Amino acid sequence: EPEVTQTPSHQVTQMGQEVILRCVPISNHLYFYWYRQILGQKVEFLVSFYNNEISEKSEIFDDQFSVERPDGSNFTLKIRSTKLEDSAMYFCASRGTGDGYTFGSGTRLTVV
Amino acid sequence: GESVGLHLPTLSVQEGDNSIINCAYSNSASDYFIWYKQESGKGPQFIIDIRSNMDKRQGQRVTVLLNKTVKHLSLQIAATQPGDSAVYFCAERYYNQGGKLIFGQGTELSVKP
Repeated sequence: EPEVTQTPSHQVTQMGQEVILRCVPISNHLYFYWYRQILGQKVEFLVSFYNNEISEKSEIFDDQFSVERPDGSNFTLKIRSTKLEDSAMYFCASRGTGDGYTFGSGTRLTVV
Repeated sequence: GESVGLHLPTLSVQEGDNSIINCAYSNSASDYFIWYKQESGKGPQFIIDIRSNMDKRQGQRVTVLLNKTVKHLSLQIAATQPGDSAVYFCAERYYNQGGKLIFGQGTELSVKP
């Protein structure tokens, strides 16, 4: 069964550093999403991406965040200057023309 | 505002019993609902979904019920097994081009052997 692949599985970074979280969505999917989950809390929507542009973003997705689909297969989330409160699990998801959303296994980001 | 909430944060059941997990959603314009299972350290795993034009959908050992009048969603798991132990989230899709999902708080299901 097709999978959404995320790398790395765990990233530790110092506060103020830039991080790039990587995702390979399912190849024929058209809609791409990033979500985050702070430990013990619910999954929160960050951003949706379609046709090479952001279609919607949440209040969490401020100027420190950006997304890119550089080569038609990867979908990246960049945090420019990480803060302690950015520590969370980050999930990538993709969807085709139907209803099915497929989530990756996530990247655990720890900001120290 | 945006909110999808759960009535019970934890649920403990005996193996073999049926489990019912409830969810209240807030957006009457949501057109699609999904139940996810999340095991520790893993991403949300699809269990079952239902469109807003239906009120019941059955899968293998799972049933989702949708009551649009009171904006309520439930997940029923028949003959609960230890492998069902996990956190369960409901999610609603706002009817817009982006199709973002709004998740509820989650219910932790614990199955005692």
